[in-house]
Amino acid sequence: GNSVTQMEGPVTLSEEAFLTINCTYTATGYPSLFWYVQYPGEGLQLLLKATKADDKGSNKGFEATYRKETTSFHLEKGSVQVSDSAVYFCAHNFGNEKLTFGTGTRLTIIP
Amino acid sequence: NAGVMQNPRHLVRRRGQEARLRCSPMKGHSHVYWYRQLPEEGLKFMVYLQKENIIDESGMPKERFSAEFPKEGPSILRIQQVVRGDSAAYFCASSPLDSSPLHFGNGTRLTVT
Repeated sequence: GNSVTQMEGPVTLSEEAFLTINCTYTATGYPSLFWYVQYPGEGLQLLLKATKADDKGSNKGFEATYRKETTSFHLEKGSVQVSDSAVYFCAHNFGNEKLTFGTGTRLTIIP
Repeated sequence: NAGVMQNPRHLVRRRGQEARLRCSPMKGHSHVYWYRQLPEEGLKFMVYLQKENIIDESGMPKERFSAEFPKEGPSILRIQQVVRGDSAAYFCASSPLDSSPLHFGNGTRLTVT
């Protein structure tokens, strides 16, 4: 079946540290891949996406590359800020079908 | 263009009561999805609707839960005879006809006492 597995949290980093949150997926075919971010008390916001192999999604200093060979879409940022503290969700879907989410990774950045 | 609007933002119900959660999709969006987020867990898909049609309800509990998206008005997620285990954040998302990704509302946080 289709599923998304992401790095379990919580993750705590110091400001300006390098961030990686791992995400791998299983799917029949080639889904679109997404990272969503959820700030406290809010809904999910799309952070970035990639729709085909080798695409790189990027936004707000975050990046993720669609790796077909390893079925991965790891999220990275070179220098995190306190304002990046949130829960990050990896997800995939096919077309307008339902998004399948990972369990989320809570990130806390300390000054 | 307003985003996805959900109300109420917080809802408290006693066990056995009914809960009605509303979702108005973004203008021009005809696809609505409902997700449930239990405390400290990820989002679980519940149901996918288009206007007047349920497309995929594979994530909906078989009893007490129902959803609709009428021709006019918001989508409604209805939970009858609520139990403590229904306490969660319920998120609605919408998308246009042939596009992704989904746009999420801020959720309704249901507390069953």
